Amino acid sequence: AQSVTQPDIHITVSEGASLELRCNYSYGATPYLFWYVQSPGQGLQLLLKYFSGDTLVQGIKGFEAEFKRSQSSFNLRKPSVHWSDAAEYFCAVGFFYGGSQGNLIFGKGTKLSVKP
Amino acid sequence: NAGVTQTPKFQVLKTGQSMTLQCAQDMNHEYMSWYRQDPGMGLRLIHYSVGAGITDQGEVPNGYNVSRSTTEDFPLRLLSAAPSQTSVYFCASSYSPGRGVGYTFGSGTRLTVV
Repeated sequence: AQSVTQPDIHITVSEGASLELRCNYSYGATPYLFWYVQSPGQGLQLLLKYFSGDTLVQGIKGFEAEFKRSQSSFNLRKPSVHWSDAAEYFCAVGFFYGGSQGNLIFGKGTKLSVKP
Repeated sequence: NAGVTQTPKFQVLKTGQSMTLQCAQDMNHEYMSWYRQDPGMGLRLIHYSVGAGITDQGEVPNGYNVSRSTTEDFPLRLLSAAPSQTSVYFCASSYSPGRGVGYTFGSGTRLTVV
């Protein structure tokens, strides 16, 4: 069955430090890949997405992600974290076979805390 | 252009009550879906629709009904609310997921069942 794994439930980084959030998926073909961010009490905001082409994707707020087919991974990175980046981050995968019609499967999320 | 509009934003129900969560989009999107978000569980798909008159179940459909009579609206019905349905509900739509078009999410409905 399709699945999305975010191994880290909670990560704390210092402001100005680099960040990498991990995401792995299980799927028989190349899916569509997304990263969303959610601030407390808010909805979901799309950070970036990968459909095809260049495996390094640039998003909003200085985030980027790299698709690695051999590792079934789509890790999110930011070179220098700001206090305003504290939020919960969700990796999502779109599957398009077996009648799933493009439904998104979400990981369980990684909560990011930023130390001053 | 309002995007995806969910109403109400907050709701408290008593066990056994029924209610409908509304979702409307003004982007002429064929694909619409409902998710629930619970702490530590991420978002899980409840029901989805690929067009007017066509709906199907997602991962956690029990206790919920949907219908899609128009392209714009995709209401989610709780026929007999249970405390286990306390959650935050998100509606999402897309023009064409299979072509790599992204998804637009509503701002959510926070439901508490007591």
